[in-house]
Amino acid sequence: GQNIDQPTEMTATEGAIVQINCTYQTSGFNGLFWYQQHAGEAPTFLSYNVLDGLEEKGRFSSFLSRSKGYSYLLLKELQMKDSASYLCAVRDGYGQNFVFGPGTRLSVLP
Amino acid sequence: GAVVSQHPSRVICKSGTSVKIECRSLDFQATTMFWYRQFPKQSLMLMATSNEGSKATYEQGVEKDKFLINHASLTLSTLTVTSAHPEDSSFYICSAPRQRGTSGRSRNEQFFGPGTRLTVL
Repeated sequence: GQNIDQPTEMTATEGAIVQINCTYQTSGFNGLFWYQQHAGEAPTFLSYNVLDGLEEKGRFSSFLSRSKGYSYLLLKELQMKDSASYLCAVRDGYGQNFVFGPGTRLSVLP
Repeated sequence: GAVVSQHPSRVICKSGTSVKIECRSLDFQATTMFWYRQFPKQSLMLMATSNEGSKATYEQGVEKDKFLINHASLTLSTLTVTSAHPEDSSFYICSAPRQRGTSGRSRNEQFFGPGTRLTVL
């Protein structure tokens, strides 16, 4: 079966660093994506990992370990506008479908 | 960049009526589009895969006769919620995949539409 797990909610302070973890068990693997979604809006792309290691993109970094079925999204220098849900999604094969995790609702406090 | 549009963005209808939602890829062609449903404080749940020129593929538990999908062209897919009921009230989002990047670092990325908020009274 397909299973992706993320913490439901997290809280952090403006200017701090937060790490959002994602573990997955899927029948296949062809890339892991992180999306940001503000309430009432569509998800927007943040990062993509297909090989093990760290991908850095400005204030956001994402890490992947395929052997452990594990990824994390690291957000640095948190801003109030980073308050949103963060969705981990796995492309489960050579098809084009994604399997989404439950999402992590991040609240950034002043 | 690639853009996917949806129309309408918001619709309120009476129970028993049908509602059509359009999803368009504006600057690229998409032989496949995906329809998701999202209830409040929950993640996206795939409803069906829309295939241009052939029948849609529905996920388990999704009634194909209630959620009619038509992939009319390489840039347009429609979802019709037939005989809508209050429990169908939800946020409906479509997406279309597109290859991004160069050959060594290409990825098949999903581009999401802005979503349609359906409220059935």
